[in-house]
Amino acid sequence: DAKTTQPPSMDCAEGRAANLPCNHSTISGNEYVYWYRQIHSQGPQYIIHGLKNNETNEMASLIITEDRKSSTLILPHATLRDTAVYYCIVSLWNAGNMLTFGGGTRLMVKP
Amino acid sequence: GAGVSQTPSNKVTEKGKYVELRCDPISGHTALYWYRQSLGQGPEFLIYFQGTGAADDSGLPNDRFFAVRPEGSVSTLKIQRTERGDSAVYLCASSTPAGELFFGEGSRLTVL
Repeated sequence: DAKTTQPPSMDCAEGRAANLPCNHSTISGNEYVYWYRQIHSQGPQYIIHGLKNNETNEMASLIITEDRKSSTLILPHATLRDTAVYYCIVSLWNAGNMLTFGGGTRLMVKP
Repeated sequence: GAGVSQTPSNKVTEKGKYVELRCDPISGHTALYWYRQSLGQGPEFLIYFQGTGAADDSGLPNDRFFAVRPEGSVSTLKIQRTERGDSAVYLCASSTPAGELFFGEGSRLTVL
């Protein structure tokens, strides 16, 4: 699986958009970009995934660059409950796909 | 319940003892995963089941670790002769056929 690089920590003001970057310059053509987050003392939670098109769901938007070497997860109106570690992972998309978690970005949403 | 259930939530044991951790996946999910997470780090893959068989056990650190899923549903992670370095949160996940993983709350193991 391709390796990802994320900043170790970020702050965001409550109510503002949180933009979390991820670099994955060695991504291969059939690998997807996944985002999970982990709130303190809980298991990781799936957020969103994409291949090359931008994606949006009720939780977030995923913007993938045209060359697919980087992506940004956007939380449009961050709340205090969005404080968590956010993991960007690239891997194949199918059942049986083992995800490799890196260190993630610790997002702190401040009032 | 609707989610992945893990028991016990906390386990304290002494060095050298045997430990079993249980995972009850979401009904109908055929794929089941075990991960281990140490403080301040991301989850580390241990083993993956598809149905009853271990499809990938490449993450198990050594032969003290073993996992079973005899009926293709509940899984048990077994750790023999526990060591202090085994202390971690052990996470279980199950997935839909499309591959989205749903994680449990984890079992926190402390080896004294």
